[in-house]
Amino acid sequence: DVKVTQSSRYLVKRTGEKVFLECVQDMDHENMFWYRQDPGLGLRLIYFSYDVKMKEKGDIPEGYSVSREKKERFSLILESASTNQTSMYLCASIRAGGVGGTDTQYFGPGTRLTVL
Amino acid sequence: AQSVTQLDSHVSVSEGTPVLLRCNYSSSYSPSLFWYVQHPNKGLQLLLKYTSAATLVKGINGFEAEFKKSETSFHLTKPSAHMSDAAEYFCVVSYTGGFKTIFGAGTRLFVKA
Repeated sequence: DVKVTQSSRYLVKRTGEKVFLECVQDMDHENMFWYRQDPGLGLRLIYFSYDVKMKEKGDIPEGYSVSREKKERFSLILESASTNQTSMYLCASIRAGGVGGTDTQYFGPGTRLTVL
Repeated sequence: AQSVTQLDSHVSVSEGTPVLLRCNYSSSYSPSLFWYVQHPNKGLQLLLKYTSAATLVKGINGFEAEFKKSETSFHLTKPSAHMSDAAEYFCVVSYTGGFKTIFGAGTRLFVKA
């Protein structure tokens, strides 16, 4: 069974803290994504990576950075957490060539982050 | 700009009655279209996808969607709602040559006993 796992289901942090969200996939997918989900806004793309050490900004990259040192792992970093980053964060992966085509994106269960 | 619009933020139906969740997308030469479902505190799960092989697409749990190019629509239907269908549903589009997918804002489905 294919799997995308995220390191935490729930996380509570304080304003100004550095936050790491980890995502691991076991499908040998080249492409990985970080989304933010807020009520009424659907999913918005923060960053994506199409290969190890490669990354591209999505629609809302401000306040975030990412790291992809290994193919199976994609990390989202909040350098200095702020209250407006309280949200649900979803990781996804898809094989190379899958984006723009008919391949399925596979999603992790999400991390609900609260910044106080 | 490419976009996808889910026409209802909330839909409420009684158990055993039909479900209709509406989705319109901006026109493109070769869109790929998906419906995902998200149950509370879970990730997104693929319900069905349009692959251009057939305009009527059957998915899991009795859901169907019909691709209508002339109307740029991809509405999701189910003949008879079940309590377990209560969830949030996302219409998703991607375009050939594009490198990202575009999500609708979501439709929350409520099912009354």
